Amino acid sequence: GESVGLHLPTLSVQEGDNSIINCAYSNSASDYFIWYKQESGKGPQFIIDIRSNMDKRQGQRVTVLLNKTVKHLSLQIAATQPGDSAVYFCAENSGGSNYKLTFGKGTLLTVNP
Amino acid sequence: GAVVSQHPSRVICKSGTSVKIECRSLDFQATTMFWYRQFPKQSLMLMATSNEGSKATYEQGVEKDKFLINHASLTLSTLTVTSAHPEDSSFYICSAPLKLGTEAFFGQGTRLTVV
Repeated sequence: GESVGLHLPTLSVQEGDNSIINCAYSNSASDYFIWYKQESGKGPQFIIDIRSNMDKRQGQRVTVLLNKTVKHLSLQIAATQPGDSAVYFCAENSGGSNYKLTFGKGTLLTVNP
Repeated sequence: GAVVSQHPSRVICKSGTSVKIECRSLDFQATTMFWYRQFPKQSLMLMATSNEGSKATYEQGVEKDKFLINHASLTLSTLTVTSAHPEDSSFYICSAPLKLGTEAFFGQGTRLTVV
């Protein structure tokens, strides 16, 4: 079946730098995308979402970019902090009555002090 | 954001026994909840969609008789792993959206170890 994938399984950055985490999705019918942060041993935590009628959305220190032409999603974290260290997942909602989310493989972000 | 509570956070059981995991929406009503399974260093795999007052919808390859789901109220869904075996050891996570089509909030997860 169709799935969401990620280009980079790990990303290591210095504290204070900006981080960019990428995600490729394959279902062109997907109309809603979410980024989640998961710390070890915990459930995923919502970060930011975007609908397919937008190409950019900003939150506090985070920005999500959506490129529907190439089916690409990215999460930008500004001034990355040690507390940002976690696994980041993109998820897509491919529509349908149940609004099931399909998760990508995840990227482990490590922030070095 | 909305709060989803999962219990227990950790459980160890013997092979052949059954384990029940609870997922509660604490400050909102959830007509739909989702159950996921996650192996170490892997992504979340959707197991089933739990619908209040009706049968759960299972993903392909998930045994419905093995993983019993009950969604008897608007705030509670339970997942029972029946006749557990060591290969059922995993991290089980539930989620619920405030409204279908919006972000889903996740429980803390349950680490199941079958010995």
